[in-house]
Amino acid sequence: KNEVEQSPQNLTAQEGEFITINCSYSVGISALHWLQQHPGGGIVSLFMLSSGKKKHGRLIATINIQEKHSSLHITASHPRDSAVYICAVRFGNEKLTFGTGTRLTIIP
Amino acid sequence: ETGVTQTPRHLVMGMTNKKSLKCEQHLGHNAMYWYKQSAKKPLELMFVYNFKEQTENNSVPSRFSPECPNSSHLFLHLHTLQPEDSALYLCASSQVLGDTIYFGEGSWLTVV
Repeated sequence: KNEVEQSPQNLTAQEGEFITINCSYSVGISALHWLQQHPGGGIVSLFMLSSGKKKHGRLIATINIQEKHSSLHITASHPRDSAVYICAVRFGNEKLTFGTGTRLTIIP
Repeated sequence: ETGVTQTPRHLVMGMTNKKSLKCEQHLGHNAMYWYKQSAKKPLELMFVYNFKEQTENNSVPSRFSPECPNSSHLFLHLHTLQPEDSALYLCASSQVLGDTIYFGEGSWLTVV
């Protein structure tokens, strides 16, 4: 069965802390997405990865194909980073499979 | 602003009502999607349209009826829904199937 697991489910941190959110999947994938969902429901696509590492501002996403694992890092976290972060993977040509999300709260 | 606009943002409907959700994308994409997000569950894919043709129906009950009149517009027609259908319904698009996906803000649906 194609599965996606995220950890932690909930994460609370102080402003400025370095944040890591993890995503593991069960079998080989063709692509992995990191998404950010704000409290109002809107979702923004942060990264799409198939290998290596991508960086955008304070956000860094890495993927290790051999270990079937990806991480999303946030440097110098800020209260506006508070959101649900969702990992989604595409197994071959199949539809996206979503993780349950990680709820991040950054306290000023 | 992601380029994908959904209306209405909030909808409350009775179980006997008929209503529709609308999605419009201004990105020139060819693939459009409907997703459902229930409380404490992962996003669930409902329907996929590619070049206006439905390519996937993920075992969605017939009380949900999609319509894609052109590559820029996608509707979800709702009739005789159940309270358990209350959820956030998200529209998304991508240039082609499998490409980076862009989501709308979602429509919060409450069935009473």
